[in-house]
Formats: sequence, C-alpha cells, structure tokens
Amino acid sequence: GESVGLHLPTLSVQEGDNSIINCAYSNSASDYFIWYKQESGKGPQFIIDIRSNMDKRQGQRVTVLLNKTVKHLSLQIAATQPGDSAVYFCAENTLRGKLIFGQGTELSVKP
Amino acid sequence: DTGVSQDPRHKITKRGQNVTFRCDPISEHNRLYWYRQTLGQGPEFLTYFQNEAQLEKSRLLSDRFSAERPKGSFSTLEIQRTEQGDSAMYLCASSLDVQPQHFGDGTRLSIL
Repeated sequence: GESVGLHLPTLSVQEGDNSIINCAYSNSASDYFIWYKQESGKGPQFIIDIRSNMDKRQGQRVTVLLNKTVKHLSLQIAATQPGDSAVYFCAENTLRGKLIFGQGTELSVKP
Repeated sequence: DTGVSQDPRHKITKRGQNVTFRCDPISEHNRLYWYRQTLGQGPEFLTYFQNEAQLEKSRLLSDRFSAERPKGSFSTLEIQRTEQGDSAMYLCASSLDVQPQHFGDGTRLSIL
C-alpha cells in the first residue's frame, strides 16, 4: 500500500549547523510532497512543497530535494536555530487531496 | 488571526459519552479535512469535504464517528459512545482545492 516513511526518528544538531531530514516514499506515482513542522501542542505548519516536475525547491533557509529515481526526498535547514526544534513530517499530497504522513523526525537543536 | 480554528482545545470525558468538536477553516478555503494523531505518529486522514459535500471517508472512521459541514463553512466531528482507543489529537485542516493544507492546533481528546 501507500506509505511515506522517515529514515531517522531523532536528529540532534548544533545551533548554526545545517540539518538534513530524510524521507522515503513507496508509491512511484506520487507527484506532490509537502514538509510540515509540528511544535509541541500545535498543529502541523506548512514549510515547503515540491512537485515531481522539480528536483529542488528553495525557501527561506530551507531546501527540499526530490530524487524520483530512488523515491527519496530531503529537507535541508540552513543555519539551524533553537526555534527550529520540532518534529518534521514529510507528507504525500494525493490526487484527491488527502495527505499521507510519515512517522516524523524530531529535530533537537543544541545551543 | 485568520488561520484554522478548533474548539475545544482539550476535552476530557468518560468512556461511553458523546463528544463533538468544531472546526472553522480559513474563510476562502473550499476543502476541509479531519485527521487523527496519536503520540509519536503522523496525522492519519479521517475524512474530507469539498464545500458541503463529504467526498471521502477513511476506514478508520467507524460508524460511531460522523462529520458534517452543513453550509460549506465550519465543520463538526462527533464521536458517539467514546472508547479508550479514541484518545488522540483530532486535527482539522483546510485548503483551496489541492493547494497545501493549513492545520489548526487540534482538539486533544482524553477518555477516562
């Protein structure tokens, strides 16, 4: 069946370093992915999205890379800050619009 | 704040009671989604509406669950005869067509 999964459940980085969060998906027909950030006690917050006609997309301090050959995407956060500490989810935005989430990676930023 | 609003934020109830949650989406969004999230997991899709029409329901949505969006604006999610396994965070999201969904901060349900 469809699934979107993450390689690592936790990631600890030093403040100022770059963070890379990985995500694998199984459905080769998937063509639209979204990264969400979820802080404790809050709902997921949209970070950035990418469609399958792109390999890379950049936002403010974030970059998403999509490798369709190996069905893998990653979220890179530049100059990680304490406020980036949260759980990060990749999600497939299906044709019908519903989201299929992975399990999440908890990012911890050490000062 | 013009984001997605959910009420209540927390609900504690005894097993067997009925509960109802409300979601107010972003005003111009025609789609509204409900998800359930348990600790350490990603949100799981329950159901969604386009305007007032409920277009899809997950198999997770047992017959004890019902959702409505009567005027195509706010939505309610009702759980009848609550069970321990219903304890979770219930998240609402809205979007304009298939644009990225924006989430509310959820209703945390605890069943005693």
